Amino acid sequence: DIQLTQSPSSLSASLGDRVTITCQASQDINNYLNWYQQKPGKAPKLLIYDASNLERGVPSRFSGSGFGTDFTFTISSLQPEDIATYYCQHYDNLPLTFGGGTKVEIK
Amino acid sequence: EVQVLESGGGLIQPGGSLRLSCAASGFTFSNYAMCWVRQAPGKGLEWVSTISRSGDDTYYADSVKGRFTVSRDNSKNMLYLQMSSLWADDTAVYYCARGYSHYGPYWYFDLWGRGTLVTVSS
Repeated sequence: DIQLTQSPSSLSASLGDRVTITCQASQDINNYLNWYQQKPGKAPKLLIYDASNLERGVPSRFSGSGFGTDFTFTISSLQPEDIATYYCQHYDNLPLTFGGGTKVEIK
Repeated sequence: EVQVLESGGGLIQPGGSLRLSCAASGFTFSNYAMCWVRQAPGKGLEWVSTISRSGDDTYYADSVKGRFTVSRDNSKNMLYLQMSSLWADDTAVYYCARGYSHYGPYWYFDLWGRGTLVTVSS
């Protein structure tokens, strides 16, 4: 199984800050890596697919990059509504797996 | 409105069985693979199962293989998850999710339901 290691597991940042989360895969997954946002008590929401493609309707302050084993998710300017846990997920093979999540809080 | 809505969760004793349902609306159901993803209380996300567009092919996580069965009825726009031999580790919110891929080998989840809670406890 492919392991996805997300870091950090949590972070605290100020409004307007640039926030970066990394996701490292245990083997090459091409660009088959997606990012989700989950707000407390809510279902996850797809933000980024195929490492760098913004899902329709998602604000442009969210972005993703990477290929192979190392991926990055960025919020360019943290907003109050971005408080959530963020997960990466690969779909290179089965089983599909998720990273452990990164909880983003406001400082 | 494009949506999926789960139902059927509840409290079940260890060893018991339960069937979850997911009603899809607002999109052509038969054009998409459909998936189940679960989340144990306070934990991360775990893919459970996927069924192909036609229903001919099914895929399972090792943790549920042989105990869970995914099925669909494209005439009714419904997805199901039959769960048996349930134990405490199966306690989770179960999400129905639409599976999609532009060109990748498997799926990501571009539409999620609100989830239904399954609690396995005596």
